Amino acid sequence: QQQVKQSPQSLIVQKGGISIINCAYENTAFDYFPWYQQFPGKGPALLIAIRPDVSEKKEGRFTISFNKSAKQFSLHIMDSQPGDSATYFCAAIDSGYSTLTFGKGTMLLVSP
Amino acid sequence: NAGVTQTPKFQVLKTGQSMTLQCAQDMNHEYMSWYRQDPGMGLRLIHYSVGAGITDQGEVPNGYNVSRSTTEDFPLRLLSAAPSQTSVYFCASSPTRATQYFGPGTRLLVL
Repeated sequence: QQQVKQSPQSLIVQKGGISIINCAYENTAFDYFPWYQQFPGKGPALLIAIRPDVSEKKEGRFTISFNKSAKQFSLHIMDSQPGDSATYFCAAIDSGYSTLTFGKGTMLLVSP
Repeated sequence: NAGVTQTPKFQVLKTGQSMTLQCAQDMNHEYMSWYRQDPGMGLRLIHYSVGAGITDQGEVPNGYNVSRSTTEDFPLRLLSAAPSQTSVYFCASSPTRATQYFGPGTRLLVL
């Protein structure tokens, strides 16, 4: 059973555009929602994270929007750049466990 | 600090062979995990550890063994490799249960 559903699988955005990746979850015990960025041939790296008591978190061009009632959260990349081309994973962690549950990933390509 | 290191970077095995994927971290993190990454499947947890001497199974543990004798090391053992274990394996460590630092990965091909 997939606990974190991520969409789209792939995304092409023009340089300067906004990239939006969405995730949804069912487990109401999830209490921490990080996003990871992975470049080809590298391990994932933490990009930004949010807790459910906050509706939005912004770090530079990256923003997480969180809708607790809908059990959805999304990553917005403003002014997308070719260097943002990577695979993005949303994830969630249950307050009672020590492990992350990942979405299946979104491959983002920002065209020059 | 070297962070999380994994060896080897790439390995080819024949079906039935055994091997150990090495993972080490120098950040004194208690939490360590092993994931496999397959196309379209995201990252799936194999085994994890919350401290030396303590390990537990993740989502896809079959065919893999782990042990944690020290804080620094968390090796993953394949006792009898199968083609279905062809994947990219990532080790991660974390100071808390949430923030994970991933190694560079090991690409494994089982023929």
